[in-house]
Amino acid sequence: EDKVVQSPLSLVVHEGDTVTLNCSYEVTNFRSLLWYKQEKKAPTFLFMLTSSGIEKKSGRLSSILDKKELSSILNITATQTGDSAIYLCAASYNTDKLIFGTGTRLQVFP
Amino acid sequence: DAGITQSPRHKVTETGTPVTLRCHQTENHRYMYWYRQDPGHGLRLIHYSYGVKDTDKGEVSDGYSVSRSKTEDFLLTLESATSSQTSVYFCAISPGAGNTGELFFGEGSRLTVL
Repeated sequence: EDKVVQSPLSLVVHEGDTVTLNCSYEVTNFRSLLWYKQEKKAPTFLFMLTSSGIEKKSGRLSSILDKKELSSILNITATQTGDSAIYLCAASYNTDKLIFGTGTRLQVFP
Repeated sequence: DAGITQSPRHKVTETGTPVTLRCHQTENHRYMYWYRQDPGHGLRLIHYSYGVKDTDKGEVSDGYSVSRSKTEDFLLTLESATSSQTSVYFCAISPGAGNTGELFFGEGSRLTVL
């Protein structure tokens, strides 16, 4: 059975801390790994990773895929209260279908 | 932002009644999806469409049907709503054809079945 597992389920930090969110996957015909941020409504796209070992960065966020370990991490440095959200990991397989993990809820306090 | 509109945004209904949720896109994207999101389960695929009149089941399709008669509209129907279908429903679109999976989501429709 295809699945995506995220850890931790929940994380509480103070502003300025660095956090690492984990995602592991077991998916047939894997194509890519995606990260989304969900605040109050619709998930919004952060990263798409297709190649192992190549880091993608956007400001304070970065992510990397390890195809050997079937996993990915999302790093957020110097966290801010605006980073508080649910972070979703998803694996793309077959023809444009995604399977999502349950998400990591990040709370950043001042 | 991708042009995706879901309607209604909120609905309360009673067990046994039919419900239709509509997703409308202005991006002319080929692929459209319906997901539901529940605590502890994340986003789960209900049905998806890869073209007009071309649809397929996702992982939680029981109790749901879909139709796509035009590129821009994808309808999700609950023929006889049950309390287990209380959820937040998200429509998503993708250009497909070599796209490696990035989806653009609508704002969600919160359905409560009493």
